[in-house]
Amino acid sequence: AQKVTQAQTEISVVEKEDVTLDCVYETRDTTYYLFWYKQPPSGELVFLIRRNSFDEQNEISGRYSWNFQKSTSSFNFTITASQVVDSAVYFCALIGWNFNKFYFGSGTKLNVKP
Amino acid sequence: EAQVTQNPRYLITVTGKKLTVTCSQNMNHEYMSWYRQDPGLGLRQIYYSMNVEVTDKGDVPEGYKVSRKEKRNFPLILESPSPNQTSLYFCASIKTGGNTEAFFGQGTRLTVV
Repeated sequence: AQKVTQAQTEISVVEKEDVTLDCVYETRDTTYYLFWYKQPPSGELVFLIRRNSFDEQNEISGRYSWNFQKSTSSFNFTITASQVVDSAVYFCALIGWNFNKFYFGSGTKLNVKP
Repeated sequence: EAQVTQNPRYLITVTGKKLTVTCSQNMNHEYMSWYRQDPGLGLRQIYYSMNVEVTDKGDVPEGYKVSRKEKRNFPLILESPSPNQTSLYFCASIKTGGNTEAFFGQGTRLTVV
């Protein structure tokens, strides 16, 4: 069975703080893909990153970085020097080798206060 | 520009009045799917399609129909909408392979009264 767990329901930080959003997944597939999406108050799902199961390289994109560790089945997301515009709900998701379905975590609501 | 376009963005309708939410992608992706998002229930898959004329049920298909007559379009049809179908709907388009891409439409906020 596939499952994605985002244990943090809501996080509040003050602007310029660093924040890490946790994501733990379960899958029996050897090939799978992990994603992070941002859902701002306007409601759309904005693609942030995709990682393949065979590529454990961490990635940095500006203030965003991702730490993928197969040994702990985790794909955590860190925002450095958070800004008010980062306030949103963030979803971690997994799709298996057959691409039929996204398994979403329940989302983490990030509140960044000025 | 790679896009998944859903229409309408917002819709208020009455119980029983048939409606269609359109979804179109310009990336030649094979896989497309529909999800609904509800508070406390998260995102749940309604239907998916692996290619033209190939569709299958997701987790919550009751009350919905889909068709995939051409690769770019994957409409969601509510033959007789009911208030429990009030939700935020997303269409997804997926490119398979090593450089997998997955994009979502802007969402459709549907209210059935």
